[in-house]
Amino acid sequence: DAGVIQSPRHEVTEMGQEVTLRCKPISGHNSLFWYRQTMMRGLELLIYFNNNVPIDDSGMPEDRFSAKMPNASFSTLKIQPSEPRDSAVYFCASSPKSDRDAYGYTFGSGTRLTVV
Amino acid sequence: QQPVQSPQAVILREGEDAVINCSSSKALYSVHWYRQKHGEAPVFLMILLKGGEQKGHEKISASFNEKKQQSSLYLTASQLSYSGTYFCASGGYKYIFGTGTRLKVLA
Repeated sequence: DAGVIQSPRHEVTEMGQEVTLRCKPISGHNSLFWYRQTMMRGLELLIYFNNNVPIDDSGMPEDRFSAKMPNASFSTLKIQPSEPRDSAVYFCASSPKSDRDAYGYTFGSGTRLTVV
Repeated sequence: QQPVQSPQAVILREGEDAVINCSSSKALYSVHWYRQKHGEAPVFLMILLKGGEQKGHEKISASFNEKKQQSSLYLTASQLSYSGTYFCASGGYKYIFGTGTRLKVLA
């Protein structure tokens, strides 16, 4: 299995621009999570999908952030407009909900976002 | 609510043991433990289930305290490859990650 695949690995954009981060979870995993990691705030859960449905988006910082999961093999996290304080590493993780306790979360390699 | 880990950082020599604590204001249902190396993604190490059952790593174990508001991770006979930042994560349907503990193993 290729694992959780995220793209791009690095993104540098100017303030005000739209940014789209992409994630392909492991086939068969029906839970998907978006996390953001910064030195100051650590690993923050942004949103959780189960069977492609957003279950909890309480961690999404503000309306500039949106996430979708149109099918079981693809999810996007969009920031529009982007701001310098959005600079962070964004991780996507997936888990087989039925056996999460045995396997935990598998993380993608992350997208390092820099907004200048 | 984010679990608080202690110590924040620890340095040890190869072969030494280490203990990392994860504390919560509420009883922990079950706890995942992850290790993250610099510039990489967190990697799942093990899970401590509410009944005390563990699943995961050979040389790494964990336990709850009496009130299950703290979990401790035990690293025995540490190796250079153990260096990294360790996170606990706990929750129900979604896991909240702890504050992290930086561990460095020296030769």
